[in-house]
Amino acid sequence: NAGVTQTPKFQVLKTGQSMTLQCAQDMNHNSMYWYRQDPGMGLRLIYYSASEGTTDKGEVPNGYNVSRLNKREFSLRLESAAPSQTSVYFCASDPNTGELFFGEGSRLTVL
Amino acid sequence: GENVEQHPSTLSVQEGDSAVIKCTYSDSASNYFPWYKQELGKRPQLIIDIRSNVGEKKDQRIAVTLNKTAKHFSLHITETQPEDSAVYFCAAGGQGFQKLVFGTGTRLLVSP
Repeated sequence: NAGVTQTPKFQVLKTGQSMTLQCAQDMNHNSMYWYRQDPGMGLRLIYYSASEGTTDKGEVPNGYNVSRLNKREFSLRLESAAPSQTSVYFCASDPNTGELFFGEGSRLTVL
Repeated sequence: GENVEQHPSTLSVQEGDSAVIKCTYSDSASNYFPWYKQELGKRPQLIIDIRSNVGEKKDQRIAVTLNKTAKHFSLHITETQPEDSAVYFCAAGGQGFQKLVFGTGTRLLVSP
């Protein structure tokens, strides 16, 4: 049981480049989330998916897109990366109890 | 929307002392209040949570209290140990846990 797996763990991009962060969970959870973590700002919700086939915006969705490919996978895409998107990104899933199970995080630097 | 404030931002205690972290929230509809611990370079993990139908919950050395009237909740850690050193986040959620909003975190340092 791997839990929540994110790739890549580290990535450096130039401004304007695009990339996709991948996330997969093997716990059969319906809900999945993408958060970003910045110093002094806690965890902020980017997008979430309450179930396969549905996605909704969180607090800070601008500059991001998501795809809930199936029940296991939830990807986050940056179409044109900006320095303000330098952050640590966490994927999480939830068995509808409220408890979030986080991945290990992906550290993204945009130059 | 919900707004969660967390204090203090840093807290230093001696091993064996107690530590208290406080959070306030703005949305009276919030009814779920979890606390997460994040060790350096690791993922956040749930350590305790409380729902609005109870005022206090304990799990060994940690406890959480909730005052719905005042819209604040607190994490209490007794007999602190060096391994308690981490960043602690509170959060508040309402209808549908998808609406969970996090505080900005408290860095707890426990010195031997």
